[in-house]
Amino acid sequence: KAGVTQTPRYLIKTRGQQVTLSCSPISGHRSVSWYQQTPGQGLQFLFEYFSETQRNKGNFPGRFSGRQFSNSRSEMNVSTLELGDSALYLCASSLTGGFTPGEKLFFGSGTQLSVL
Amino acid sequence: AQTVTQSQPEMSVQEAETVTLSCTYDTSESDYYLFWYKQPPSRQMILVIRQEAYKQQNATENRFSVNFQKAAKSFSLKISDSQLGDAAMYFCAYRSADNQGGKLIFGQGTELSVKP
Repeated sequence: KAGVTQTPRYLIKTRGQQVTLSCSPISGHRSVSWYQQTPGQGLQFLFEYFSETQRNKGNFPGRFSGRQFSNSRSEMNVSTLELGDSALYLCASSLTGGFTPGEKLFFGSGTQLSVL
Repeated sequence: AQTVTQSQPEMSVQEAETVTLSCTYDTSESDYYLFWYKQPPSRQMILVIRQEAYKQQNATENRFSVNFQKAAKSFSLKISDSQLGDAAMYFCAYRSADNQGGKLIFGQGTELSVKP
C-alpha cells in the first residue's frame, strides 16, 4: 500500500506570492490533517479535512486555507507569503480522523517551503 | 488548552544501552491518547508507540516502552538496547478523545543521538 505522498518536496517562493501544496492520503483514508513545523514554534496543527469538509482548524491567519477533493486528496494554499511562512509542511492521513479507537495517523515526508 | 512539554532538547546514549525521554502534559480531560513519534532525517514522522489514557497498563512495542503516570501527567519513553537507527528527533504528542479528529498537540521534541 502506498504511503502518504506530498508534492512537491521543496519549494522556493518570494514574499507576496502564493503557494499550493498537495497531499495524497493512503488509499481508503478519508481524513487529512496539515501541520506546520518550524525550529522556533515546533509542530503546529493547521487544519483537518474529512470527507471534503473542514472539521478542525488551528490558530493560523486566513492566508492559510485548504480543501479536500472527493478522492480524499488535499491541497493547502498560502496566499501573500511572508518570510515567517518558511517551514516544513507535513500532512497526515487516517481512516476516520480519530473516530475509530486506536486509529493511527500516518505522515508524509513533507514539503519544505522557503520564502525569500 | 492542552500543552505538551519535553524538557530535554538533546539526549545521548551509547549503543546497546537504555535511555529514557521525558514528556509531561497538561489537560483537564479525562480521556485522551498519548503518542511518541520519531522523525529521522528523512523528515517523515513515524509512530513509535501509543497509549490510551483509560488503560492503566503501560504500552510496549519491542524495545520501546512507556511509563504512563496519569495523575502526574507524565509520559516517558524508554528505549532499550539502543541502536544506531534510533538516532532521530522524538516528539511526544497528545490527542483528545473527543471530536478532535486528526489534531495532535506536539511537544518541542528531543534530539536523540546514539554513539557507537
